[in-house]
Amino acid sequence: GAGVSQSPSNKVTEKGKDVELRCDPISGHTALYWYRQSLGQGLEFLIYFQGNSAPDKSGLPSDRFSAERTGGSVSTLTIQRTQQEDSAVYLCASRRTSGSADTQYFGPGTRLTVL
Amino acid sequence: AQKVTQAQTEISVVEKEDVTLDCVYETRDTTYYLFWYKQPPSGELVFLIRRNSFDEQNEISGRYSWNFQKSTSSFNFTITASQVVDSAVYFCALSEAGTGGFKTIFGAGTRLFVKA
Repeated sequence: GAGVSQSPSNKVTEKGKDVELRCDPISGHTALYWYRQSLGQGLEFLIYFQGNSAPDKSGLPSDRFSAERTGGSVSTLTIQRTQQEDSAVYLCASRRTSGSADTQYFGPGTRLTVL
Repeated sequence: AQKVTQAQTEISVVEKEDVTLDCVYETRDTTYYLFWYKQPPSGELVFLIRRNSFDEQNEISGRYSWNFQKSTSSFNFTITASQVVDSAVYFCALSEAGTGGFKTIFGAGTRLFVKA
């Protein structure tokens, strides 16, 4: 497709379980971002990938969170031993390059609910 | 450090009223970019505009207009003759070239309600 896609759109899990969230960026975009948006809140930066460079993980809230990007395209955000405070919408965005002038294009998000 | 402040948490207007959403930013860079995004109830963020720090010319796109003032570090967004479909959360964002440009900081957003 032409845009950023994310799956699943909704995920309900039990506290303590692991979850994987997937992001397919726009083809040809080298930069990929993950954000978290809690109910009624702004966007919280989590992690950034640019080409083959080491990702910037400075926004990950704990070591239960990790992400990888395979082949410079698809990315997976993994949350281990989920907690109720992890409930949020997880948004993925891609950018054509790392240049600050370039616009980020967002996916529809994955709504995660931890019971 | 970079920071984006959207002081208005929620705004409620009646259809056809004009409304201005405020955005104030902080940065030490001389080269930076400002963005506005719209997040309708469906949840997906929609890009509206990008403005670079060297271009203070205001922009108009249909009912939307943006007022960029470096002297006050503001990048305000005005919707003229608002419509119900404008109801959404609007985010202002900042990217600094000096940090390699990768990190975009978003404001907390302003929720706009337009009543019929």
